[in-house]
Amino acid sequence: GENVEQHPSTLSVQEGDSAVIKCTYSDSASNYFPWYKQELGKRPQLIIDIRSNVGEKKDQRIAVTLNKTAKHFSLHITETQPEDSAVYFCAASNHTGFQKLVFGTGTRLLVSP
Amino acid sequence: DVKVTQSSRYLVKRTGEKVFLECVQDMDHENMFWYRQDPGLGLRLIYFSYDVKMKEKGDIPEGYSVSREKKERFSLILESASTNQTSMYLCASTRLGQDNQPQHFGDGTRLSIL
Repeated sequence: GENVEQHPSTLSVQEGDSAVIKCTYSDSASNYFPWYKQELGKRPQLIIDIRSNVGEKKDQRIAVTLNKTAKHFSLHITETQPEDSAVYFCAASNHTGFQKLVFGTGTRLLVSP
Repeated sequence: DVKVTQSSRYLVKRTGEKVFLECVQDMDHENMFWYRQDPGLGLRLIYFSYDVKMKEKGDIPEGYSVSREKKERFSLILESASTNQTSMYLCASTRLGQDNQPQHFGDGTRLSIL
């Protein structure tokens, strides 16, 4: 089955810096890669996703890149702000598997003012 | 906006009790999921359902069962609660489509088994 590894487990940056979180997956059939943000005490919320037919996707300060050959994908946050502080989860899915998501173990991002 | 509602935010039960966690979604989604979230382990899939009365095991189904009698409601059942089932439980739903669709989560139920 699919296995998703996520690094780093914690990341501390200064406000205005960039943050990068990396994930690798094992199943070459995976074709959908969402990223979720979970603020303290709140539900995970989708912030961006990418499908395997695209190499990069951007939405304002966040971007995701996908390297299918190497089986890894990354989340990039530019000009970080304190409200970006949260736990971020990557996930991978193969549509033929009832859209099951396999999640990484999470990255706690702390943005200091 | 999709709303996924879990019946309790916090729940305290005793070892050996039968525990029911309820989840309701209002967007007529076909797929519903139950995860548990533990520090350092991420979200792990317990069970999912793709239709009424249909259920499939996820990665960690042992000690759990589920029920889906109506499309909008998906229940997680701990048959005989044990202390190692103390965790945060998250329900999610998604629409069935030709491509993967985003999963929408509830607020979670923090369950403590004493």
